[in-house]
Amino acid sequence: GESVGLHLPTLSVQEGDNSIINCAYSNSASDYFIWYKQESGKGPQFIIDIRSNMDKRQGQRVTVLLNKTVKHLSLQIAATQPGDSAVYFCAERWYNTDKLIFGTGTRLQVFP
Amino acid sequence: EAQVTQNPRYLITVTGKKLTVTCSQNMNHEYMSWYRQDPGLGLRQIYYSMNVEVTDKGDVPEGYKVSRKEKRNFPLILESPSPNQTSLYFCASSFGRGRETQYFGPGTRLLVL
Repeated sequence: GESVGLHLPTLSVQEGDNSIINCAYSNSASDYFIWYKQESGKGPQFIIDIRSNMDKRQGQRVTVLLNKTVKHLSLQIAATQPGDSAVYFCAERWYNTDKLIFGTGTRLQVFP
Repeated sequence: EAQVTQNPRYLITVTGKKLTVTCSQNMNHEYMSWYRQDPGLGLRQIYYSMNVEVTDKGDVPEGYKVSRKEKRNFPLILESPSPNQTSLYFCASSFGRGRETQYFGPGTRLLVL
């Protein structure tokens, strides 16, 4: 079946650098995408979302890019901080359904 | 404080012994959902509910039951737990049909011996 996947299981960046976390999705019918952050011992926390009629959306220090042509989603974190260290999940919602399909996650490690 | 609470946070049980994990939200959300999280598999949806008395299966519903008698509560029931249900469970809620921001609980770690 179709599923959401991630290219990199672990990403290590230096504090202050920008981070880019990638996600490939396979269902071209998905119309809503979300990025979540999960810190150790906690539940996932919403970061930012984007609908399929957009290709870019910006939040505070975060930007999500959507490329529907190649079915690719990315999360950019500007000036990465130690508090950004966590596992990041992308999720997609199939059009006209109530199900969220999550990727397996990418661990972001920030070192000084 | 707006939040989703789960109880218990940790549970060790034996095969076949019925258990219930409670979930409660204080945000008046219509949509609630249960997920399990396993290494290498990510979050998988078990069941969801769009409103009181309305529930539907997610991707991995086998071995689980849910009920939604009140808007704020969405318990997860394992009638006869098995070791393959050892996992980390999360409850989540949102205003809309799951298209809106979902708020997750802190998780319940279950070990079935």
